[in-house]
Amino acid sequence: QSVLTQPPSVSGAPGQRVTISCTGSSSNIGAGYDVHWYQQFPGTAPKLLIYGNYNRPSGVPDRFSGSKSGTSASLAITGLQAEDEADYYCQSYDSSLSGYVFGTGTKVTVL
Amino acid sequence: EVQLVESGGGLVQPGRSLRLSCAASGFTLGGYEMSWVRQAPGKGLEWVSYISSSGSLIYYTDSVKGRFTISRDNAKNSLYLQMDSLRAEDTAVYYCAREVASTFSYAFDYWGQGALVTVSS
Repeated sequence: QSVLTQPPSVSGAPGQRVTISCTGSSSNIGAGYDVHWYQQFPGTAPKLLIYGNYNRPSGVPDRFSGSKSGTSASLAITGLQAEDEADYYCQSYDSSLSGYVFGTGTKVTVL
Repeated sequence: EVQLVESGGGLVQPGRSLRLSCAASGFTLGGYEMSWVRQAPGKGLEWVSYISSSGSLIYYTDSVKGRFTISRDNAKNSLYLQMDSLRAEDTAVYYCAREVASTFSYAFDYWGQGALVTVSS
């Protein structure tokens, strides 16, 4: 069972801005642990998109941005493109579980 | 180029064992913490196990404690997951993933292609 909650799906037209929320609790995001985001296409391994709440690995377009506040975090995609259609997962650490936790996942659809 | 390649997946009967391997190349495995992450068919990601760079610290998710064993051989640049007493609910694609430190936690910066484990009679 996932302890980080994400909306099952979000959608937007090309060029629009969409956001994905990731809601945790006082034992994970609220405890100060960083949030990371991954992008996954069907049948492929996840790819690191954002690490340390808002940092982009080399090669990730600046259309992707992350933020964190309190017990939640968000991933924003601006200038939505057809190639952004994928599943997105947040990830953090949970002190009560003594392990890493992932979000429930969000499917982004480009209309 | 960093590469992680899993092997050892397959079809296994409930209660039997399977050992996954992850061969690392393009970097020195001994300099990194590593984890196994799994994904059941059509489901989300689930962290399974962690091992420190030296192998001295190991953690598991509750559902596999006492059944799975993570290990590593830094000299061979290899990571392993021994899975015993397998259950149907262990059916998943298993990924090995390299960890990279952020200020307050670790992220998974490189992933293998995954190994499918199917537990069924």
